[in-house]
Amino acid sequence: KQEVTQIPAALSVPEGENLVLNCSFTDSAIYNLQWFRQDPGKGLTSLLLIQSSQREQTSGRLNASLDKSSGRSTLYIAASQPGDSATYLCAVNDYKLSFGAGTTVTVRA
Amino acid sequence: DGGITQSPKYLFRKEGQNVTLSCEQNLNHDAMYWYRQDPGQGLRLIYYSQIVNDFQKGDIAEGYSVSREKKESFPLTVTSAQKNPTAFYLCASSTGHSGNTIYFGEGSWLTVV
Repeated sequence: KQEVTQIPAALSVPEGENLVLNCSFTDSAIYNLQWFRQDPGKGLTSLLLIQSSQREQTSGRLNASLDKSSGRSTLYIAASQPGDSATYLCAVNDYKLSFGAGTTVTVRA
Repeated sequence: DGGITQSPKYLFRKEGQNVTLSCEQNLNHDAMYWYRQDPGQGLRLIYYSQIVNDFQKGDIAEGYSVSREKKESFPLTVTSAQKNPTAFYLCASSTGHSGNTIYFGEGSWLTVV
């Protein structure tokens, strides 16, 4: 059974600092990995999707890397802003999605 | 606008009652999913459907039931057999191909009173 772990569970940084969020998974036979953002009491918004054949994906200030062999993905958010405060979840797709518990980010103004 | 609509946003259930959460999508997606989210935990899959008139149990299907009579609709019934139903419920859809993005609705809060 796929196990997905996100460390740390919570993170607080001053505005302008770069964010590094980690996701690890136990079974490397995956189709893709997806990063989501969740605001309190809301649904999930897809940020980036990395196919198993890709090493990274970029969208604006967001960059996600994937090392399938070691079972790791990292989400980088450059020059953080207070509006980036949210919970970030990663999900691994190996015929169905398995989610990590998320990292709750607070960006202090 | 295209998207996934869940209703109601908030629902209260008395002990012994069945309740149904609605999920409608106009994205023309084949696959639809129901997840449950508890505080501090990741999402857990309840049921999923890859095509109309077919659905499969996820990891925590006990106490829940679904139907998929129309492509755009995938309602979830929380039965009285579900012992701890208080949670945040999320519906999602995708094109059904393993490599494609999954989209989520805004969620429904269910509380047992």
